[in-house]
Amino acid sequence: ELKVEQNPLFLSMQEGKNYTIYCNYSTTSDRLYWYRQDPGKSLESLFVLLSNGAVKQEGRLMASLDTKARLSTLHITAAVHDLSATYFCAVDMEWMTGGGADGLTFGKGTHLIIQP
Amino acid sequence: DAGVTQSPTHLIKTRGQHVTLRCSPISGHKSVSWYQQVLGQGPQFIFQYYEKEERGRGNFPDRFSARQFPNYSSELNVNALLLGDSALYLCASSSIAGAREQFFGPGTRLTVL
Repeated sequence: ELKVEQNPLFLSMQEGKNYTIYCNYSTTSDRLYWYRQDPGKSLESLFVLLSNGAVKQEGRLMASLDTKARLSTLHITAAVHDLSATYFCAVDMEWMTGGGADGLTFGKGTHLIIQP
Repeated sequence: DAGVTQSPTHLIKTRGQHVTLRCSPISGHKSVSWYQQVLGQGPQFIFQYYEKEERGRGNFPDRFSARQFPNYSSELNVNALLLGDSALYLCASSSIAGAREQFFGPGTRLTVL
């Protein structure tokens, strides 16, 4: 069974600070996705990481993927209040099932609160 | 361009009833996936359909079923509703090529009383 673990699950930080969210997964996969969810809303796609060593950046967020360590990180630089949300990482199950299913397995999410 | 659409937005049912949720994918996307998100948890994979065929199924009971139509829209059906079925049901569409990035609809909030 594919497991995806995020930590921390809750994070309260001040504006201007830097922090990293970690995502570990239990099987080999070259596809990892990061999503953002605001309260009561759906999921917004942030990053798609498709190979070992992939790094993507958008504004104050940067995501990376190390497939050998089965680890992805989401780094927040100089946080601002607008980044407060729940962040999910997800792994494509297709690589586990050999093509039988293309669903995503999600972590439990990191609930991020950024205080002024 | 229209994104993924879902209907209804909210739904209240009682235990034992049946419910049908609907989803229309992004134009050009032929793959549709369904997820259940219980409050405070990450989404759980229920089904994936491509070209009207089931490609994958998560660990959900047979009370859950789905289908995909020739226009690639999809329905999720849940029979004999239980209190534990109360959740946000999310539909996602994707292209099967390239990154296979899944784009999510706004969801249907189902409350079972």
